[in-house]
Amino acid sequence: AQTVTQSQPEMSVQEAETVTLSCTYDTSESDYYLFWYKQPPSRQMILVIRQEAYKQQNATENRFSVNFQKAAKSFSLKISDSQLGDAAMYFCAYGGIQGGSEKLVFGKGTKLTVNP
Amino acid sequence: DTGVSQDPRHKITKRGQNVTFRCDPISEHNRLYWYRQTLGQGPEFLTYFQNEAQLEKSRLLSDRFSAERPKGSFSTLEIQRTEQGDSAMYLCASSLALAGYEQFFGPGTRLTVL
Repeated sequence: AQTVTQSQPEMSVQEAETVTLSCTYDTSESDYYLFWYKQPPSRQMILVIRQEAYKQQNATENRFSVNFQKAAKSFSLKISDSQLGDAAMYFCAYGGIQGGSEKLVFGKGTKLTVNP
Repeated sequence: DTGVSQDPRHKITKRGQNVTFRCDPISEHNRLYWYRQTLGQGPEFLTYFQNEAQLEKSRLLSDRFSAERPKGSFSTLEIQRTEQGDSAMYLCASSLALAGYEQFFGPGTRLTVL
């Protein structure tokens, strides 16, 4: 079974600075997707960024980028120029495609605090 | 609003009672997922539908849990004879049946069992 590990329960960053959230996963599949989701307090979960495992190029979305190391099974999220609105729980998720359902397997999350 | 909606947002019940939650997915999405999130944890998969067919259920889904998606539109999740351990946030998500397609989440239903 696939597992996702987020080793940082909490992180903090100063506004306008850069922070990196870590994620490792375990799988025997060769093709899959990886996601970072953001869950603001009392608000619904939204997708931040997605990475296809077959693509070597790291995904980027504006201030958000990933460092995807397939051999190491590592998928970290870098947030540049942090803003107060980035404060939230961040969940790393694995989406396997071989089983058909593409259900997501989530890590326990990292609580990000942004200090003004 | 064309996002995923869930009703109710909060439910408080006494142990042993039955509860039912509803999820309305994005209209063109043919996949619908239910997840459960307890405090300090990430969401855990419960079950999923493609159109009206329930294609996978987690072993977390005991016999007291049942889910339906009649006509492939909205879905309901029923918990019978609730237990205190059922207290959690129940999240619904929908997507298209395309590899790697984003799952769009609803706001969740927070269940408290007294």
